[in-house]
Amino acid sequence: DAKTTQPNSMESNEEEPVHLPCNHSTISGTDYIHWYRQLPSQGPEYVIHGLTSNVNNRMASLAIAEDRKSSTLILHRATLRDAAVYYCILRDEWAAGANNLFFGTGTRLTVIP
Amino acid sequence: DAGVIQSPRHEVTEMGQEVTLRCKPISGHDYLFWYRQTMMRGLELLIYFNNNVPIDDSGMPEDRFSAKMPNASFSTLKIQPSEPRDSAVYFCASSLAPEETQYFGPGTRLLVL
Repeated sequence: DAKTTQPNSMESNEEEPVHLPCNHSTISGTDYIHWYRQLPSQGPEYVIHGLTSNVNNRMASLAIAEDRKSSTLILHRATLRDAAVYYCILRDEWAAGANNLFFGTGTRLTVIP
Repeated sequence: DAGVIQSPRHEVTEMGQEVTLRCKPISGHDYLFWYRQTMMRGLELLIYFNNNVPIDDSGMPEDRFSAKMPNASFSTLKIQPSEPRDSAVYFCASSLAPEETQYFGPGTRLLVL
């Protein structure tokens, strides 16, 4: 799987929007962009995923660059409960080994009250 | 659904002892994954099963580790003999299909003294 690059840490004030960037310059045409997050002392949980178009769900929005070499996870109003490590993961869902999620180091988001 | 269930949540043992970690996947999920998380190496996939059959165990660190899935609702990860470097958080996850979202359990925090 192609690799992703994320900042090690970011801070945000509570109730403000947060933009978490991810670079994936070697992304292939069949790679989906997945985001998971891991709250303190919990297992990772799915946040959102997309291929080319921007995506929205109840948790977040995913903005994908036109060339797909980068993406941004957007939390519209950060809450204290959003403090977590956020992982950007590429998955070629048609390839053998699609099940193998490579988590990398992620971005540790701190939310300031 | 109760989600993925893992037991025990915490385990403290002495070097050389056998350790057995348990996992109950979400009902109906055909894929089960075992991960290990450490500060040094992050989240790593150890092994995964499809319909109770081990498919890829290339992530299992050495022969001291073994995993079984005797039926669709139960899996074990065994370490025998345990060593201090096995101290980590072990996560179990399940999914409907390899390309589908993986749902993680709360993890087992293992400390080998």
